[in-house]
Amino acid sequence: QVQVVQSGAEVKKPGASVTVSCKASGYTFTSNDIHWVRQATGQGLEWMGWLNPNSGNTGYAQKFQGRVTMTRDTSISTAYMELSSLRSEDTAVYYCARRVVTNAFDIWGQGTMVTVSS
Amino acid sequence: SYELTQPPSVSVSPGQTASITCSGDKLGDKYACWFQQKPGQSPVLVIYQDNKRPSGIPERFSGSNSGNTATLTISGTQGLDEADYYCQAWDSSTAVFGGGTKLTVL
Repeated sequence: QVQVVQSGAEVKKPGASVTVSCKASGYTFTSNDIHWVRQATGQGLEWMGWLNPNSGNTGYAQKFQGRVTMTRDTSISTAYMELSSLRSEDTAVYYCARRVVTNAFDIWGQGTMVTVSS
Repeated sequence: SYELTQPPSVSVSPGQTASITCSGDKLGDKYACWFQQKPGQSPVLVIYQDNKRPSGIPERFSGSNSGNTATLTISGTQGLDEADYYCQAWDSSTAVFGGGTKLTVL
């Protein structure tokens, strides 16, 4: 079935970087943008940016410009999101989601908990 | 930056109709989506392009969007509909989410 499966939980120290992966299956990986959304505990959804797996083009929310990098490896149908200079406020569940032609996020990953703590 | 505003909470009795609003400047000129999120789970798309339901979403979920307000309506609300609901729209190439509404069925 169509799904995206994310990597496991991470614990990082302030100032470090984290990379979360998102592996697609059941559809052609290069046909749909992958977006990243995060959610701090008890808070709402926050959009971070997008990646076009076909071209490698990206677009980032202004808040994360300079700290986030989205890449992909088409040979294994996997997208990556790297967030650097981590601080405690980055502690959150990070989701990847597929955007379809109707501009909707129709498939979401299971989420990856990233904890930033000294 | 563009903002979407939702009420923090809505309560409804079982079997009744729940309405959750989402307000934004000229939101009716954009398409609105709605997501349902239960505790510990990923968001699930329940409405896209204002009023379309993905496959597998019950008919009791419907949507509308006009002027500055999009509305998610759940008819014959059931206990399993208790969840957080988020609206979402696009502002240029940026996805914007509302703050979320906790729907309580009591």
